[in-house]
Amino acid sequence: AQRVTQPEKLLSVFKGAPVELKCNYSYSGSPELFWYVQYSRQRLQLLLRHISRESIKGFTADLNKGETSFHLKKPFAQEEDSAMYYCAPPTSFQKLVFGTGTRLLVSP
Amino acid sequence: DTEVTQTPKHLVMGMTNKKSLKCEQHMGHRAMYWYKQKAKKPPELMFVYSYEKLSINESVPSRFSPECPNSSLLNLHLHALQPEDSALYLCASSEFLGQNTGELFFGEGSRLTVL
Repeated sequence: AQRVTQPEKLLSVFKGAPVELKCNYSYSGSPELFWYVQYSRQRLQLLLRHISRESIKGFTADLNKGETSFHLKKPFAQEEDSAMYYCAPPTSFQKLVFGTGTRLLVSP
Repeated sequence: DTEVTQTPKHLVMGMTNKKSLKCEQHMGHRAMYWYKQKAKKPPELMFVYSYEKLSINESVPSRFSPECPNSSLLNLHLHALQPEDSALYLCASSEFLGQNTGELFFGEGSRLTVL
C-alpha cells in the first residue's frame, strides 16, 4: 500500500542543534511529497514540498528515491520551530494518509 | 482570499442532537476534504469531494453525512453521535484531486464535544 511513515513520535533538541525529522514512503513512482506543520493553536499548514526545492524557515527536504525517504532537515533549530510535523503524500495516492507525526521540541 | 473558513469553532452537542459543521473557501478549489483529528494524532481522512461529487468515503459511519451544495461550500451533518466522536474536525481544500494537485489548505477546525 502507498503510505508514508514517521518513525519518531518526539524529537527533543537544544536551540542551535541540527534537526532531522524522518519520513519514509512506499510508492513505486515519483511521488510529490509534502511536509506540513502544526504550531500550537494554529491551523495545519504546508511547510514545504519536494518539487519546489525551496528552503522554508531554514528547513529543507530532499527526496531520496534510493532510500525512499523524504527527511526534513534544519541545520540550527530555533525555539519557534517547536511544533508537530507531518509528512504527507500527494493527493494522487489512493489513501490520503498523513504520517503519524513527529513532535519537535526545541529547548533553550 | 487564501483561507478556508470553518464554523462553528466549538460545538457541544448531546447524543440525540442534530447539528452541522460548515466550511467555505473562495480560492476556486475543486476538491474539498473532511478530516477528523483526535488529540495528539494525525488527521484522518473522512470524505473527499471533487467537483461537488463525493469521491472518497473512508468507511465513515452514517451518523456523519457530508454535503457539498456548491463548489465553495462543504457541510458535515451530524446526527446521533457518540462521545467517542468528540474531536477536532478539519476541512481542507486543494486545487484538484489527483496527480500534481498541490497543497492542501486547512481551516482552523471545529472542535466538537459530544456529551
